[in-house]
Amino acid sequence: GAGVSQSPSNKVTEKGKDVELRCDPISGHTALYWYRQSLGQGLEFLIYFQGNSAPDKSGLPSDRFSAERTGGSVSTLTIQRTQQEDSAVYLCASSLLQGGEQFFGPGTRLTVL
Amino acid sequence: AQSVAQPEDQVNVAEGNPLTVKCTYSVSGNPYLFWYVQYPNRGLQFLLKYITGDNLVKGSYGFEAEFNKSQTSFHLKKPSALVSDSALYFCAVRDGSGAGSYQLTFGKGTKLSVIP
Repeated sequence: GAGVSQSPSNKVTEKGKDVELRCDPISGHTALYWYRQSLGQGLEFLIYFQGNSAPDKSGLPSDRFSAERTGGSVSTLTIQRTQQEDSAVYLCASSLLQGGEQFFGPGTRLTVL
Repeated sequence: AQSVAQPEDQVNVAEGNPLTVKCTYSVSGNPYLFWYVQYPNRGLQFLLKYITGDNLVKGSYGFEAEFNKSQTSFHLKKPSALVSDSALYFCAVRDGSGAGSYQLTFGKGTKLSVIP
């Protein structure tokens, strides 16, 4: 079956603009995660959704970052008033059950000029 | 709090030789440990995991890893390296006791180069 998909694959934006990144998890997966991969920094957890529970937002770096998951499926990560330090690859993952093996999408490469 | 250390930014090995990519971890509860591989311009692919049971875990593409509780390590190994194994490898941990959240904490990655 289809894996985790993300769009767009690349996004170039100007400092101060808002961006939306989309993630389509594997069908039936209840848990969805967002991570950020910056050069030389490894992967940084951002936010986690599990079913209808309140999301774990403990990794969001600032209030410019937010995410939602509609209908328990597709998720959108929004970055408002982008800054150059937001430039990174944003990775989405999903797992069948809470705490299960995570399957990653190809990522969205965000460049803020 | 949980953390992962991958002490080597890069590992070079000749094709056919055994390879080891090192990982140590820190977690307050039960460690659930994972290895992922990332090829250029690709997402992360799962290799193997340790949850409980046998300390030697076998995974995809001939890779294996050994869980060592006393040394808090989970080194990735392969008996005979292939050029196609060249990629970026990430070790990850989460607290399996149920007290923490379910996100993974990743190391910074180790670039493996297999030389023909």
